[in-house]
Amino acid sequence: EAQVTQNPRYLITVTGKKLTVTCSQNMNHEYMSWYRQDPGLGLRQIYYSMNVEVTDKGDVPEGYKVSRKEKRNFPLILESPSPNQTSLYFCASSLSGNNYGYTFGSGTRLTVV
Amino acid sequence: SQQGEEDPQALSIQEGENATMNCSYKTSINNLQWYRQNSGRGLVHLILIRSNEREKHSGRLRVTLDTSKKSSSLLITASRAADTASYFCATALNTGNQFYFGTGTSLTVIP
Repeated sequence: EAQVTQNPRYLITVTGKKLTVTCSQNMNHEYMSWYRQDPGLGLRQIYYSMNVEVTDKGDVPEGYKVSRKEKRNFPLILESPSPNQTSLYFCASSLSGNNYGYTFGSGTRLTVV
Repeated sequence: SQQGEEDPQALSIQEGENATMNCSYKTSINNLQWYRQNSGRGLVHLILIRSNEREKHSGRLRVTLDTSKKSSSLLITASRAADTASYFCATALNTGNQFYFGTGTSLTVIP
């Protein structure tokens, strides 16, 4: 089944403790992206990647890191999480750039206390 | 911000009625997409309309695009309770490779 898999689904952590949210797609998509969703703010793009070893900042990249060492994986790293990073995070992929529709993962609900 | 704005923010209709929601944006686009999100779940791609297209259909969905007014509409005909969800538009600009999502329309279909 074609899908984007995110892990974990739920995560509660403490301020400052580094964490990684994994994202993997099995569709050979070139484009991958991370979003955060907050009430009243919609989805905001954190980072995106056009292909392996190519990453670019979205609208809200502060406090996040990403890497794209393999085409299928695009992990999101929070080096020192803070409470304002409490949010619902989505990974998404598309065949190529923004000319095609996204396939979204199921989401990761992160709480930083 | 290029972020699309959906209108209305919330819509409640009876099963069998049609639902129309609108999206406005600010700058020229390459394409515009509509997505559905069931509560707390991942978004599901519904339809993509390119800037040179005016109307597209997919099942009970009809999307229109008016680039002169920088707006799009999503019509869901003969709505069902299962259509209850949030609906988002996303715009892809002519330059760059980002998507910009609106804040969504929350649709409730009453059985």
